[in-house]
Amino acid sequence: DVKVTQSSRYLVKRTGEKVFLECVQDMDHENMFWYRQDPGLGLRLIYFSYDVKMKEKGDIPEGYSVSREKKERFSLILESASTNQTSMYLCASSLKGTGVSTNEKLFFGSGTQLSVL
Amino acid sequence: QKEVEQNSGPLSVPEGAIASLNCTYSDRGSQSFFWYRQYSGKSPELIMSIYSNGDKEDGRFTAQLNKASQYVSLLIRDSQPSDSATYLCAVNQGTDKLIFGTGTRLQVFP
Repeated sequence: DVKVTQSSRYLVKRTGEKVFLECVQDMDHENMFWYRQDPGLGLRLIYFSYDVKMKEKGDIPEGYSVSREKKERFSLILESASTNQTSMYLCASSLKGTGVSTNEKLFFGSGTQLSVL
Repeated sequence: QKEVEQNSGPLSVPEGAIASLNCTYSDRGSQSFFWYRQYSGKSPELIMSIYSNGDKEDGRFTAQLNKASQYVSLLIRDSQPSDSATYLCAVNQGTDKLIFGTGTRLQVFP
């Protein structure tokens, strides 16, 4: 089975801190994604990557950056954490698809609940 | 207008009934459609995908797509309490990323 592992299940940080959220997948997937999930707002895409050292902005990239130095690892960075970044963060991966959709089955990690105080 | 819209629910159905979950999307160029199930405190998992107009059946689940009406639905037959979860509709607009709806919470009571 595909496994997507997020480094922390719960994280508490202070306003202004630099925060690193790590995600590792073990199935050699090309595509990796970072979402945040908030009540009433659903899942929103922050950043995604289709290859090593490659990144694309999603719908809400402001205040975030990412790093993908190795194929299996995709890191989300909050440069200066703010209270409005308190959220559930979900990492996902998928194979590079063919045909109509290059975004077939997403495999999600278990999520990191980040609280910024 | 939200790109992918779902009624937040909760949708309450008795055990054994058919649960009908609906989703509308705004981009006529959308090409691929997905239903994810998310149990409370867990991550989403894919349960159905559909690409062509019509119905697609998988066990107790049927996905229905009507591109002219920009409408996709999920039917769950013989609903069980274990089906109680939030169901997320997701749409690929051909831009290599999925747009998710906010989800519909389904409650199946014994």
